[in-house]
Amino acid sequence: GAGVSQSPRYKVAKRGQDVALRCDPISGHVSLFWYQQALGQGPEFLTYFQNEAQLDKSGLPSDRFFAERPEGSVSTLKIQRTQQEDSAVYLCASSLVKDNPTYEQYFGPGTRLTVT
Amino acid sequence: AQKITQTQPGMFVQEKEAVTLDCTYDTSDQSYGLFWYKQPSSGEMIFLIYQGSYDEQNATEGRYSLNFQKARKSANLVISASQLGDSAMYFCAMREGRRYSSASKIIFGSGTRLSIRP
Repeated sequence: GAGVSQSPRYKVAKRGQDVALRCDPISGHVSLFWYQQALGQGPEFLTYFQNEAQLDKSGLPSDRFFAERPEGSVSTLKIQRTQQEDSAVYLCASSLVKDNPTYEQYFGPGTRLTVT
Repeated sequence: AQKITQTQPGMFVQEKEAVTLDCTYDTSDQSYGLFWYKQPSSGEMIFLIYQGSYDEQNATEGRYSLNFQKARKSANLVISASQLGDSAMYFCAMREGRRYSSASKIIFGSGTRLSIRP
């Protein structure tokens, strides 16, 4: 079956531009997570949705970062007025609440954002 | 606070040898889960193995096994009979929280880059 998909795979933005990153989770997955992975580092949690509700946004680094999942499926991570320090790979993951005792998060391929 | 420590930035191993990737963790919760993920150069995160804090036996998945030592807060990954395709970044990760909940975020370590020599 189809896995988690993300688009675009690569994005180059000039400093100050706004960007929108899209995540299509696995169909039926209730939970959706966004992570930021800087070069040479492990992913760091940004925000979490259960259906359309954003239950945890403690990892968002500033108010320039905004995420939404209005219908409980596709999610968009928006970064306003991009800065060079925003350059990273943005990973999306989805997970079932039930029927998965390992509560495994399935990751998408990521969007590599480069801010010039 | 949660913390995952991977002290080996990089490792080189001869093909067909076994390799152990170290991971220690810190948590004040009694209920938690430990994961290992593989990240090839293509970038996707591939789930390898899971160990629950209440699981009495070490988890195994094919050539992967997790050496879980709860008292030492250690969760080392063992890969038997390494293959060239095992060359990748490996991340140890932890999730705190209730046993049957997918709500908790995963905290990742800094990773170990494993290179397999032919």
